[in-house]
Formats: sequence, structure tokens, C-alpha cells
Amino acid sequence: EIQMTQSPSTLSIFVGDRVVITCRASQSISGWLAWYQQKPGKAPKLLIYKASSLESGVPSRFSGSGSGTDFTLTISSLLPDDFATYYCQQYNSYPPTFGQGTKVEI
Amino acid sequence: EVQLVESGGGLVQPGGSLRLSCAASGFTFSNYAMSWVRQAPGKGLEWLSGIVHGGAATTYYADSVKGRFTVSRDNSKDTLYLQMNILRAEDTAVYYCARDSKLLDYWGQGTLVTVSS
Repeated sequence: EIQMTQSPSTLSIFVGDRVVITCRASQSISGWLAWYQQKPGKAPKLLIYKASSLESGVPSRFSGSGSGTDFTLTISSLLPDDFATYYCQQYNSYPPTFGQGTKVEI
Repeated sequence: EVQLVESGGGLVQPGGSLRLSCAASGFTFSNYAMSWVRQAPGKGLEWLSGIVHGGAATTYYADSVKGRFTVSRDNSKDTLYLQMNILRAEDTAVYYCARDSKLLDYWGQGTLVTVSS
């Protein structure tokens, strides 16, 4: 099973700041990585797939990069609607595995 | 519009059973693999089980539920199921179904399962 490690676990940040969340896989997953956003009481929402492809309807302030074992999710300028928990997930091999999440808070 | 609607959650005693359902609409259900993911209170996401599309309907399970949970699908009803047996307190969580295109591109709203005496 591939382990996914996100950092940081929590980010205390301000509206307008740039946010960078990292995700590291325990072995190479090529570019088979997705990022999800989850707000309290809601289901996760797909933001990015294949490491850097933006899901339809997702604002362009979100971007992803990386390949192999190291990946990043960047929010260029944080808006109030972006306060949430973010998860990475590898889908290179079964079972799919998630990072532990990064909570972005004020 | 793709929609996934889970049902069947509730309060169950330790050792009991529950069957969750996930009704799909807005896409050709039989063409997609499907997965179940859960989230314990205040915790992260845990993939539990997947079932491929196609006649073989191969299934996959996380070690934490292997032997206790069974995933199945009825393509004639566009419905995914999760039979959960020998439930434990640590199975308390919100259970989500998700369309599995390897990445999980659509999710239901979740159904809460509480295992407690």
C-alpha cells in the first residue's frame, strides 16, 4: 500500500495569502494524483487530477504540480470560500490512498 | 447531472449488521467502477472498497474491513451496496459512495453509521 504524507497538517493564514500544500508518496506514483477540497459536513470535491489538471469549474487560482513522489497544491490568493480541508489521493495502484489532510484556517 | 445518493445509515449495536445503498443517476452506471470511502468523526478519508464495472464485478477491500464488509452492485437498478457485518465502534463514520474513474470524481452526500450500545 502506498502511503501519502501531507504537510502541513494545519495552515493558519489570511485572505489574499498564497497557500502551498505538499504531498509525498512512499513510492513513485508517476502523475496519478488528485486533490480534493472538503468543507465541514460536506462531501469532498475534486479539484485537480493527474497532478496538474484542473477539474471543470474549479477556479484558476488553484493549481497542482509534481510527479513521481513529490506534489504540491497551490492556491495563488486565498479567498474566504477556500477555508477548508484539502486531501491528496494517489490512484496509481490499488488500494487508493489519501493523505491525512491539511486544514486551511484563519 | 451526476448524482449519488446514499441511504441505509443509522444506529446499530456492536456486532450488528447494516446495508448501505447508493443510488446513481446522470451517467451510465454500468460503465463505471464504484468505491466506498468513510470518514470517522474528526478524521480523514479512508477508502474501504471498490467494485469494477463489467460482468466479472471484481471487488477490492481495505484490510480494515476485509471479511466483514461486502460490496456489490445491481446495474439494472443503478445501485451500489455495502453490506457491513460484525460492526465495531471504530466503524462509526460517515460513509460515502464515489464514482471511481481511478480518481473519485463524484461523491454522494454521505450517510452516517453509528455503532454503539
